[in-house]
Amino acid sequence: DGGITQSPKYLFRKEGQNVTLSCEQNLNHDAMYWYRQDPGQGLRLIYYSQIVNDFQKGDIAEGYSVSREKKESFPLTVTSAQKNPTAFYLCASSTRQGEAFFGQGTRLTVV
Amino acid sequence: EDQVTQSPEALRLQEGESSSLNCSYTVSGLRGLFWYRQDPGKGPEFLFTLYSAGEEKEKERLKATLTKKESFLHITAPKPEDSATYLCAVTGANSKLTFGKGITLSVRP
Repeated sequence: DGGITQSPKYLFRKEGQNVTLSCEQNLNHDAMYWYRQDPGQGLRLIYYSQIVNDFQKGDIAEGYSVSREKKESFPLTVTSAQKNPTAFYLCASSTRQGEAFFGQGTRLTVV
Repeated sequence: EDQVTQSPEALRLQEGESSSLNCSYTVSGLRGLFWYRQDPGKGPEFLFTLYSAGEEKEKERLKATLTKKESFLHITAPKPEDSATYLCAVTGANSKLTFGKGITLSVRP
């Protein structure tokens, strides 16, 4: 089946640790996105990539990093510099017309 | 900077009571306006794309319309299973996908 796969579904991080969230798509989409969602909030853009080996900062990129070495994969690293990382993280890919399709999300909790 | 504002923040309807959700936007070079449905703890599910003013799309009890400044999601005779958060998003000339905060819809039986 075609789609977006995020893993893990739940992730616990100790303070001061870096963690990496996985996002894989088999829809052959060029564009991919990472969003953060907090309770009662909309989706805020962290990073996006329109082609392999290129990506742009979104509205809240501080404390996060990404790579885009393959078309299918767009991993997100939450670094120790991110002061409030507890949130629901969503990955998406989109068609050329801009229609985005989302994974089921990763819930990150700092313990 | 692209901006999307959705209203109201929350809406409670009785089953069968039709209503509309509003999405106002400002964007440089609109490429598309999108509506999504999100259930708690899950990723958003794509509903509609609108590309130009005057365009309309329908799916079951939902109908989306677009003007140059706003979009409406009309819900006709809603059922309890329509309860969810409805998100509006736009893509502009920079290909950045910008979302509003969403509207939480509750439909009582």
